[in-house]
Amino acid sequence: ETGVTQSPTHLIKTRGQQVTLRCSSQSGHNTVSWYQQALGQGPQFIFQYYREEENGRGNFPPRFSGLQFPNYSSELNVNALELDDSALYLCASSSDAAGGYNEQFFGPGTRLTVL
Amino acid sequence: RKEVEQDPGPFNVPEGATVAFNCTYSNSASQSFFWYRQDCRKEPKLLMSVYSSGNEDGRFTAQLNRASQYISLLIRDSKLSDSATYLCVVNRGDFNKFYFGSGTKLNVKP
Repeated sequence: ETGVTQSPTHLIKTRGQQVTLRCSSQSGHNTVSWYQQALGQGPQFIFQYYREEENGRGNFPPRFSGLQFPNYSSELNVNALELDDSALYLCASSSDAAGGYNEQFFGPGTRLTVL
Repeated sequence: RKEVEQDPGPFNVPEGATVAFNCTYSNSASQSFFWYRQDCRKEPKLLMSVYSSGNEDGRFTAQLNRASQYISLLIRDSKLSDSATYLCVVNRGDFNKFYFGSGTKLNVKP
């Protein structure tokens, strides 16, 4: 067990709705990254939070937004849900945003289905 | 061109076999490299980091070839429990952003 937790585990929404996913990072880790994994694909980077600020973003539209809290937990918000947003959303925590050498540890993911 | 490319497989091998996966990356500035393992409908789990000098962890050996921009994973004496998807991961050093390949599926059969 990595100590990274995510909630909820599963979620079903309809097009146009909004969703909030939550992640608690591993103890001692100050960086949280979010990934989207479509079926049969590798995870795609959405964005990263370091010390409560966005610290890099992948090719995702602005309707994907996030937050990080003082205890380093994080939220991913998706507005105006589309069918293609159906995926496994993974949160990963690591100990430092600098250097790029640090391993990331993943939570179990939230499986989002958009109908 | 994708940042990281892998053969999707599947690789179907008998127990006890040796199997090798390769992965290529496009950005020569990439700084750190990893192999993750992902079981069906589960999260990726770190298998091993890949160092320039190559490294071994039990039955698993990882190699990095910077000149040719590829990473390899060798699994010896395959076990049924090795059946999974193996994800090649590259980091360019830009804010700890990971680039994942699409994964190589391994099926180890009795």
